[in-house]
Amino acid sequence: RKEVEQDPGPFNVPEGATVAFNCTYSNSASQSFFWYRQDCRKEPKLLMSVYSSGNEDGRFTAQLNRASQYISLLIRDSKLSDSATYLCAPRNDYKLSFGAGTTVTVRA
Amino acid sequence: NAGVTQTPKFRVLKTGQSMTLLCAQDMNHEYMYWYRQDPGMGLRLIHYSVGEGTTAKGEVPDGYNVSRLKKQNFLLGLESAAPSQTSVYFCASTRHQNTEAFFGQGTRLTVV
Repeated sequence: RKEVEQDPGPFNVPEGATVAFNCTYSNSASQSFFWYRQDCRKEPKLLMSVYSSGNEDGRFTAQLNRASQYISLLIRDSKLSDSATYLCAPRNDYKLSFGAGTTVTVRA
Repeated sequence: NAGVTQTPKFRVLKTGQSMTLLCAQDMNHEYMYWYRQDPGMGLRLIHYSVGEGTTAKGEVPDGYNVSRLKKQNFLLGLESAAPSQTSVYFCASTRHQNTEAFFGQGTRLTVV
């Protein structure tokens, strides 16, 4: 089983739509969690950290479910600029692992 | 603000050649990482370092060596390049154990 699994998508959504996707992780000892955004094979950049109680950052909402070992990302009111690949990254001790990413394409 | 800088950005090697990729960070981060990214595979951890003078193997360490002689630099070496090492290589650093990672711009390596 892969350490981190994501639905690769692509999720093709119209502007203004809501899109949500999950990431499952296998290591129950993972301590912190992040969502990164990657554009066209450029370097990944932090989108947001994921806290146990869930958190929002503007149109983005992240949730953590430790019991089922998954994290989720929801994007509201999608913009064309949200088109990217979203990587989830659970962290266990010193090791930062990444999923293969979920591709989101927002169309006009 | 340089952040994390990788050199070179592009390189073409012949099978069997060796090379070293350099990662430099100016943020005084403790932890540094080398990843490779292949289509459909995501980022796979090659080696990492939790401090100056220390290194550890990641998921896919075979064919690579690393060194962290100075806190700000993390070197990735390919002793005898193979076509299977054609990939995009990313270096990253984090300040502490549970803080965000900052990435370099990547090195696109082709082995022919």
